[in-house]
Amino acid sequence: NAGVTQTPKFRVLKTGQSMTLLCAQDMNHEYMYWYRQDPGMGLRLIHYSVGEGTTAKGEVPDGYNVSRLKKQNFLLGLESAAPSQTSVYFCASSRGTERFPSPLHFGNGTRLTVT
Amino acid sequence: AQSVAQPEDQVNVAEGNPLTVKCTYSVSGNPYLFWYVQYPNRGLQFLLKYITGDNLVKGSYGFEAEFNKSQTSFHLKKPSALVSDSALYFCAVRDASHNAGNMLTFGGGTRLMVKP
Repeated sequence: NAGVTQTPKFRVLKTGQSMTLLCAQDMNHEYMYWYRQDPGMGLRLIHYSVGEGTTAKGEVPDGYNVSRLKKQNFLLGLESAAPSQTSVYFCASSRGTERFPSPLHFGNGTRLTVT
Repeated sequence: AQSVAQPEDQVNVAEGNPLTVKCTYSVSGNPYLFWYVQYPNRGLQFLLKYITGDNLVKGSYGFEAEFNKSQTSFHLKKPSALVSDSALYFCAVRDASHNAGNMLTFGGGTRLMVKP
């Protein structure tokens, strides 16, 4: 029972390089999210998806793109990495919201350093 | 807009003593409130939630939280702390009137240190 799996776990990029962070969930959840965690700032939502083929911007979307081609996968792309994108990135998923919200299930994170 | 404040960066408590981690929130409508815990090098894990009903909510690992609408607070509590409770705790809120996307706003986190 894997839950939410993120790859890679660690990555170091040079400024201007690109990369894609992968997230996969095996719980058949409708909703998926990408957050970044920075010291003292909690988690901030980058992008989210409410279903296959749909994405939407969160609180801090600039410099990132996402795709949800399959229900179980949610990809986060950095086209031209900047040092300000040094952070820990978390993917999460949840059931679709009917009447009441369901808890988010998180992956173990990707630690990204941009030099 | 919705927001959460966790006024304490760190809480220190001795093992066996009661603990409280504070959280206050701001929403335009009614709140949905959550507590999550994060252990080192791991993702956040759900502890408990308040949706409606009783103001005292019980969750995992003996934790509970009290919803206080007049004080817009949702403090996390445990009667007797364990060393293994040492971790980073996050409060989160969602405005019940904002249905799209189940988007939560997280506080900055409070580090709980339980000493033997």
